[in-house]
Amino acid sequence: GAVVSQHPSRVICKSGTSVKIECRSLDFQATTMFWYRQFPKQSLMLMATSNEGSKATYEQGVEKDKFLINHASLTLSTLTVTSAHPEDSSFYICSAGGDRGEKLFFGSGTQLSVL
Amino acid sequence: AQSVTQPDIHITVSEGASLELRCNYSYGATPYLFWYVQSPGQGLQLLLKYFSGDTLVQGIKGFEAEFKRSQSSFNLRKPSVHWSDAAEYFCAVVPNQAGTALIFGKGTTLSVSS
Repeated sequence: GAVVSQHPSRVICKSGTSVKIECRSLDFQATTMFWYRQFPKQSLMLMATSNEGSKATYEQGVEKDKFLINHASLTLSTLTVTSAHPEDSSFYICSAGGDRGEKLFFGSGTQLSVL
Repeated sequence: AQSVTQPDIHITVSEGASLELRCNYSYGATPYLFWYVQSPGQGLQLLLKYFSGDTLVQGIKGFEAEFKRSQSSFNLRKPSVHWSDAAEYFCAVVPNQAGTALIFGKGTTLSVSS
């Protein structure tokens, strides 16, 4: 079946550095990808919707200049956490797929720890 | 306001006992409905989904869910719980708009006692 690959699975970085997370659809073309953030023992909160070839749509309260999303191809979306701070430490997970979740698949997530 | 509600934050069930996890939604039209399971530090695994048709949906790992339009509910059930079922369970919906992302409930933590 279709697979979404997300890398890295875990990253530890110093405060002030930038971290890039990749989300790839391995055997299908994803015109839309979604990025979620999950704090410990909480639910997944949608951060942004990434559309191939156009600007991402961010949810209310998500800083677009801090969480840069690029969806340059039909198989790759990247999330860059710029100038990361400890409060950005979280589990980030992407999903990719088609209309209304019918062909929606999730990556395995990235645990970001900012020291 | 549109929302997905999982009323139970934490449930403990004895191994071998039956399980029901509740999920209610508040959207004008019937959304697409999903149940996912997440083990600690892991991604999400789809258990089952409902788009239309038969309101009783069979999923993986022996789980099933029943869509009840009159109650705006999509409760997850399993007749006999195994210790390996201990995890976080999320109900999610895609509202009745093409291409909209999944909206997740807050999740229910399932503990299984021996």
